Amino acid sequence: GQNIDQPTEMTATEGAIVQINCTYQTSGFNGLFWYQQHAGEAPTFLSYNVLDGLEEKGRFSSFLSRSKGYSYLLLKELQMKDSASYLCAVGAYNTDKLIFGTGTRLQVFP
Amino acid sequence: EAQVTQNPRYLITVTGKKLTVTCSQNMNHEYMSWYRQDPGLGLRQIYYSMNVEVTDKGDVPEGYKVSRKEKRNFPLILESPSPNQTSLYFCASSLSTREAPYEQYFGPGTRLTVT
Repeated sequence: GQNIDQPTEMTATEGAIVQINCTYQTSGFNGLFWYQQHAGEAPTFLSYNVLDGLEEKGRFSSFLSRSKGYSYLLLKELQMKDSASYLCAVGAYNTDKLIFGTGTRLQVFP
Repeated sequence: EAQVTQNPRYLITVTGKKLTVTCSQNMNHEYMSWYRQDPGLGLRQIYYSMNVEVTDKGDVPEGYKVSRKEKRNFPLILESPSPNQTSLYFCASSLSTREAPYEQYFGPGTRLTVT
C-alpha cells in the first residue's frame, strides 16, 4: 500500500523561508507531486519530482530522495498569499491512482 | 481557455434524492477522476477513468456511480445520497497513463450538503 505523512500545520513570517516535509511509503514509486490549495478552492499544481535532487521554480523548490522516501517543498521570500494548504501526492507504477497526503496548512504572518 | 468545469458549484439536498454532478474538460485528456475532500482526511479518490468506457473504483467508491460515455465528460452520480456524503467534491483530468503520471487539473469544486 501507500502511506504519506506531512505536518498538519506550520506558521512562518512574511519574507522568511519555510520547508514543508513529506515522507512516503510506496511500492513502485513513480513520481511525487506538490499542489497548493487555498481555502475553498481547487488544488493547483506546483511541482513534480521523479528523480533525486532539487527542482527549482521561482520562489518554490522541491526536493526528492527516493532512497529515503522523502521530499520537501521549500518556499522562499514568503508572501501573505502563500498562506494555503500544500498537498504532497505520490504515484506508483502499475496503478492509475495518485495518493494524496492530508496536506500541510501554512499560515504566513506579517 | 483550458479548464475543468463542474456543476453545480453548491448543492443542498435531502437524503435519498438522486443527484448528478457534472464534470467536463476541454483539454482532450484521457484520464479523469473524482475526489472528495473532508477535514483531516485530505483528498480521497472516489472513481477514475483511464479512457472512454473504462472506469475503476478509487479508495472510497461506496454510494457513488460514474460513467464515461464521452472523452470530455465524467459525471458523478449519487443514487441515494446520505448525510455522510456531505463533502467538497473535485473532478480532475490529466494526461496520465499507467506508465507515467502527469499533473492533474482540478475543477472548481462542488460543495454538497445532504440533510
